[in-house]
Amino acid sequence: DAKTTQPTSMDCAEGRAANLPCNHSTISGNEYVYWYRQIHSQGPQYIIHGLKNNETNEMASLIITEDRKSSTLILPHATLRDTAVYYCIVRATISNFGNEKLTFGTGTRLTIIP
Amino acid sequence: DSGVTQTPKHLITATGQRVTLRCSPRSGDLSVYWYQQSLDQGLQFLIQYYNGEERAKGNILERFSAQQFPDLHSELNLSSLELGDSALYFCASSVQGYSGNTIYFGEGSWLTVV
Repeated sequence: DAKTTQPTSMDCAEGRAANLPCNHSTISGNEYVYWYRQIHSQGPQYIIHGLKNNETNEMASLIITEDRKSSTLILPHATLRDTAVYYCIVRATISNFGNEKLTFGTGTRLTIIP
Repeated sequence: DSGVTQTPKHLITATGQRVTLRCSPRSGDLSVYWYQQSLDQGLQFLIQYYNGEERAKGNILERFSAQQFPDLHSELNLSSLELGDSALYFCASSVQGYSGNTIYFGEGSWLTVV
């Protein structure tokens, strides 16, 4: 799996949009970008994933650059409950034995400020 | 609620002992993954099972073993426990063992070895 680079930490004011960047410059054409978050030792929570088009769901939006070397997760109206560690993960689309797992990096610790 | 159930939620045991952690995957999910998260390390992949068969192995110690039963629940057995085995152990599941399917995590089992 391609490696990802994320800022160690970020702050965002409550009610504002939180934009979390991720660099995955070595991503290949058959790899998804996944985002998960972990709220204080709870189980990691799936947020969103995409291949090359921008994606939106009820939790967030995912913007992937045209060259696919970076992406941004957007939480449109951050609340205090969005304080968590956010993980950007690259994952193969085509299954070979052993590559379906998620490989977590260190993620970005996002703190929402009241 | 992700639909992945883990028991027990908390466990305290002594060094040298053996424990079993149990995971019930989401209804219909065939693939089960086990992860370890200790204070000084991130989320580390241990092992994956798919429909009863071992599919991928990560940094799992020889003292640890897992299996997936015909009803698809899984157990992680940890033996000859050491202080350093104290960690959060997460189980996750997905519909099939291929990368197009989202992986959902349970809330974890806290293991404290004293």
